Amino acid sequence: GIQVEQSPPDLILQEGANSTLRCNFSDSVNNLQWFHQNPWGQLINLFYIPSGTKQNGRLSATTVATERYSLLYISSSQTTDSGVYFCAVRDTNAGKSTFGDGTTLTVKP
Amino acid sequence: EAQVTQNPRYLITVTGKKLTVTCSQNMNHEYMSWYRQDPGLGLRQIYYSMNVEVTDKGDVPEGYKVSRKEKRNFPLILESPSPNQTSLYFCASSLYGPGTGLAHSNQPQHFGDGTRLSIL
Repeated sequence: GIQVEQSPPDLILQEGANSTLRCNFSDSVNNLQWFHQNPWGQLINLFYIPSGTKQNGRLSATTVATERYSLLYISSSQTTDSGVYFCAVRDTNAGKSTFGDGTTLTVKP
Repeated sequence: EAQVTQNPRYLITVTGKKLTVTCSQNMNHEYMSWYRQDPGLGLRQIYYSMNVEVTDKGDVPEGYKVSRKEKRNFPLILESPSPNQTSLYFCASSLYGPGTGLAHSNQPQHFGDGTRLSIL
């Protein structure tokens, strides 16, 4: 199956700093999502981005499908950005879905 | 409101007592899936369904059953729960049109709020 690697595993920032989270995947995909898991355990969909670039406020994401990676950018981080960020891909048959192990982000005031 | 609803949200039970976690979506999605999340192991797919009466195994199907008798519902059944099935479970759904193909598969998953199961 497809392997998904996220880096870094842990990230500690001061409020106001910027960060880049990376997701590498081992095979062709046509379906990629970034999620934020909040302190209550809910998975919040940030971006659906199989290719290209999208922006939503302080967050943006870029996927380069031909090179098998995606990046999530967080600018001017806030304490409420803390949590775990997951990348998830689905294979080209769109059945099996694989999550990365996540990046745990801690933003300190 | 478009949503994926899981019940119960929390359950503590004992080994061997059959249980069912229900999942329902109101978005007329063809694709539905179950995941479990364990510390240090991320989210892993248990089963998925491309449409009514079509189900397939994910990466960790052992000890679980599913059924898809109608489009909106995809229950997860633990026939004889064991402590190693203590976990946080998520149900998800997405559009997936007939005939397969890349265009139909390009749809994001929508997740329920999760079910915390503790099996003693």
